[in-house]
Amino acid sequence: DTAVSQTPKYLVTQMGNDKSIKCEQNLGHDTMYWYKQDSKKFLKIMFSYNNKELIINETVPNRFSPKSPDKAHLNLHINSLELGDSAVYFCASSLWTGGAGNTIYFGEGSWLTVV
Amino acid sequence: DAKTTQPPSMDCAEGRAANLPCNHSTISGNEYVYWYRQIHSQGPQYIIHGLKNNETNEMASLIITEDRKSSTLILPHATLRDTAVYYCIVPPGEGGGNKLTFGTGTQLKVEL
Repeated sequence: DTAVSQTPKYLVTQMGNDKSIKCEQNLGHDTMYWYKQDSKKFLKIMFSYNNKELIINETVPNRFSPKSPDKAHLNLHINSLELGDSAVYFCASSLWTGGAGNTIYFGEGSWLTVV
Repeated sequence: DAKTTQPPSMDCAEGRAANLPCNHSTISGNEYVYWYRQIHSQGPQYIIHGLKNNETNEMASLIITEDRKSSTLILPHATLRDTAVYYCIVPPGEGGGNKLTFGTGTQLKVEL
């Protein structure tokens, strides 16, 4: 049983295209996240949703739009893809939004390559 | 955020204890120390967290100095599967575990 699953695992697409990455968690968690890991391996938070409500929105271009149809799903849609969007995108979830012991569980990542 | 400083890399012989240090001299009184690791091509994995007292779980032990300005993650019997990048993170605010900022971490290489 995969706790946090995301699809696709690998995605190669051309500049200017629109693509989506889907994420699902079966842990019963209320909070979900998107993180981005760039070519230098820095891992940064992009968005966080708590029970379908956006609670963290870091400085991310408007081309990135998260959508949470229910608290078990958080999808990431990217418009007009650019070369600089090439990265590994990690979905994650946690039981709640903060406080001690708020363990965050990460998915296996989606490797996006824009050519 | 309380900035953390870790050595970029460490080596450890299989079966020996791996001691990974972390400096967080600007940590506030209510901020926790979290440790995660990332095995190559996988998502980050939670290891352990603590506030003041030393902590132990099935994966590791966390030793936090009395002044809380540094900590050490201990893997008691390192195996080849423990080769990974280890991140020491101090999220902002009380508990603060929901906004993790990953630095460059320590690349631990466990060898035979």
